[in-house]
Order: sequence, then C-alpha cells, then structure tokens
Amino acid sequence: QQQVKQSPQSLIVQKGGISIINCAYENTAFDYFPWYQQFPGKGPALLIAIRPDVSEKKEGRFTISFNKSAKQFSLHIMDSQPGDSATYFCAAILSSGTYKYIFGTGTRLKVLA
Amino acid sequence: DVKVTQSSRYLVKRTGEKVFLECVQDMDHENMFWYRQDPGLGLRLIYFSYDVKMKEKGDIPEGYSVSREKKERFSLILESASTNQTSMYLCASSRYSGGGTAFFGQGTRLTVV
Repeated sequence: QQQVKQSPQSLIVQKGGISIINCAYENTAFDYFPWYQQFPGKGPALLIAIRPDVSEKKEGRFTISFNKSAKQFSLHIMDSQPGDSATYFCAAILSSGTYKYIFGTGTRLKVLA
Repeated sequence: DVKVTQSSRYLVKRTGEKVFLECVQDMDHENMFWYRQDPGLGLRLIYFSYDVKMKEKGDIPEGYSVSREKKERFSLILESASTNQTSMYLCASSRYSGGGTAFFGQGTRLTVV
C-alpha cells in the first residue's frame, strides 16, 4: 500500500513532442506529490510538486495532472527538448503521523534532436 | 539557496574497510535520508532520521549504520565494505511537516574493490 508505481520505464520522444510519465499510488493518506529530474552523475533535483486538492499545476513546459479518484498523477513535458533528457522520479509524501517519502522507480527520458 | 552537501563525489575503498559518508544540510531540516541508487532499481532507502540521535531503518539497512549527533549532519557508515555495496549514495533532507519536499546532495559514487 506504500508503493508508487511509475511507468514507462523508458521513453523516447522527438524534439518538440510531448513526454508523458505516469504514476499511481494506493495510500489515500499521501498529501504531497513531487517530481524530480536527475541528470547522469547528479543528485535528483525537485522539478514541480502538487497537493491532492489541485487537479493541475503548470510551471513553464512542465505540468502535473492529478486525478484523486483514480489515485494517479502524471508529468507532461510540452515541447520536449534534448536538454530534457534525464531520469524522472515521481514521489508521494505522507507528512502527517508516521512520515513517509516514497519514490517511483524512475523513467529514463531521451529526447531526440 | 538550499544546500545538501556530501563530503565526497567519488570514493574507492577496499573490501573490509570501514567507510564513512558524510552529509551536511544548511536548511535546518528535521528529516535526513540516505538512499542508494543502482541502475534499474531506482532509489532505495537505507536509513531515515527525523531528529538528532533518532533513526529508522529503511528498505535495505543491512551492512549499514548511521549517526546523527547534530541536526545538520547525517553520516552513513559501512561497517565492513563489500563489493556489492558499490553504488551511488544519495543524501537528502526535508522539513518534517507541511509537505516538505526533499532536497538531495550531489551523490557519492562509491567503488569497493
């Protein structure tokens, strides 16, 4: 019940296309959902995050869509660029009571020039 | 700017050595984490600390211990390094409540020979 399932494992997108990465969770007590971007040899960096009372959050070319009833959330990268090629992790945080920070398994994105 | 600093980017140690990985954060965060990252396995939690001198085992604590004597510093100890502990080690910190997202260090690439 603590897992966060992330798909796909890898993704190849043409430059200018839309990259979509999906995550699903079971525990409805999770109260915050961040996405991280990681370049090779670096630590993950926070990209964007959303609370479950919001259905969508947009920052530049990055958008999180959140479906509370389906217990799913996704990251959309619009106008994907070669510089977006990285590994992306979703996460779910339970910050009340017993603290939990659960990561998805990651998606390796490659944007072709 | 938030900062989580790991003491080494690259380390090479011999089998059987005792290894110390140090992590310092300057954000006055209550929580600190140690993760291990291996290809195809995502981020696996080794240990978590929610306060000074407090610790909780994560998913893969065997062969590791931790120390948190000061709020800003969290150390990971490999009691007797083995080749299967060759990996990327990532430290992170977060606030305890309010959906505090985790900030990561740059990682330590440890090779045990």
